[in-house]
Amino acid sequence: EVQLVQSGAEVKKPGESLKISCKGSGYSFTSYWIGWVRQMPGKGLEWMGIIYPGDSDTRYSPSFQGQVTISADKSISTAYLQWSSLKASDTAMYYCARLGDGYIGGAFDIWGQGTMVTVSS
Amino acid sequence: EIVLTQSPDFQSVTPKEKVTITCRASQSIGSSLHWYQQKPDQSPKLLIKYASQSISGVPSRFSGSGSGTDFTLTINSLEAEDAATYYCHQSSSLPRTFGQGTKVEIK
Repeated sequence: EVQLVQSGAEVKKPGESLKISCKGSGYSFTSYWIGWVRQMPGKGLEWMGIIYPGDSDTRYSPSFQGQVTISADKSISTAYLQWSSLKASDTAMYYCARLGDGYIGGAFDIWGQGTMVTVSS
Repeated sequence: EIVLTQSPDFQSVTPKEKVTITCRASQSIGSSLHWYQQKPDQSPKLLIKYASQSISGVPSRFSGSGSGTDFTLTINSLEAEDAATYYCHQSSSLPRTFGQGTKVEIK
């Protein structure tokens, strides 16, 4: 079964760092782009960026460039989203998703279960 | 950045009724438009890709059409389980973007 399994919920304080993960299985992890999508409480979906685990080619939305870092470790089929200094406004559900068709222009055909990040003092 | 504008924002519909949701792009995106369904407390699910291509396992009452700047998601004969928020998403240019969502409520 093709699936993406994300790490568990996190509660952090402002200024702390965080790295959440997304592990792929059931397919060739290095052959498909993986994306990250933010959903703030009660709000819509926001595209953050994508990475190609095969060569770590990464593209960011200007809204998130410099605010987060997307990376991948192909040896363990895992993509990451990390923050160096969290803000309360980073409180949200974060989804990873696979771009189908092995193509940067594809749709997100497989989604992780989401990781809830809460940032509060 | 391409802006996707969905209409309506909210729709209250009776079971078996037909639902039409539109997504308008701020510039032409060809057929690089996809539709997702998100039920409360669940991850989004792909319904339609490339404007009109069906997805295995998705009920046939869901269909998509359009190209260029105007796209439509149609739900024929709405069922209670279709209560959800629906999003369009463009993959024509970076950064990719989503529409603001359309919430469908069952009367």
